[in-house]
Amino acid sequence: NAGVTQTPKFRILKIGQSMTLQCTQDMNHNYMYWYRQDPGMGLKLIYYSVGAGITDKGEVPNGYNVSRSTTEDFPLRLELAAPSQTSVYFCASSYRDQNSPLHFGNGTRLTVT
Amino acid sequence: AQRVTQPEKLLSVFKGAPVELKCNYSYSGSPELFWYVQYSRQRLQLLLRHISRESIKGFTADLNKGETSFHLKKPFAQEEDSAMYYCALSSDSNYQLIWGAGTKLIIKP
Repeated sequence: NAGVTQTPKFRILKIGQSMTLQCTQDMNHNYMYWYRQDPGMGLKLIYYSVGAGITDKGEVPNGYNVSRSTTEDFPLRLELAAPSQTSVYFCASSYRDQNSPLHFGNGTRLTVT
Repeated sequence: AQRVTQPEKLLSVFKGAPVELKCNYSYSGSPELFWYVQYSRQRLQLLLRHISRESIKGFTADLNKGETSFHLKKPFAQEEDSAMYYCALSSDSNYQLIWGAGTKLIIKP
């Protein structure tokens, strides 16, 4: 049981490039989330999904897109990377909503230069 | 506005000493509060939630609505308690948790 798997672990992007952060879970959780964590700050929700085909914006969605074509996968797309998107990104899933335990991936450290 | 404040970025105590990690929140409704922990080289994981009224790894946390606090306590710290601890508040909208900035706990031998 791998839980939540995120790839890549590290990435350096140039300004204006794009990339997709991959996230997959094998726990059959309906709820999935993308968070970012800036240095010295708490996690902030980018996007979330309550099931396949359903996504919604969180607190800081600008500059990102997501899709949820299957229960297992919830990729995060960065278009036109900017230095402000330098952060650590966490994918998480939960059986029900955010009041049930969140299961996190290992995180992706992204630097945009 | 909903907010979670963890006033200490770093807390260092000796093994065997009591530990208290502070968490204060602002929220107008009935809060659901959580403590998450990230040990070195491990994933962020749930430690405990106030609604369960449980003790995990010797840690407890009591919700004090008057002081709007949810401090995490352990009477006798152990070296394996060294980790990052995050307090989080469940928002009643948008399936969102509001997170504190975290406290790094170091237990000195």
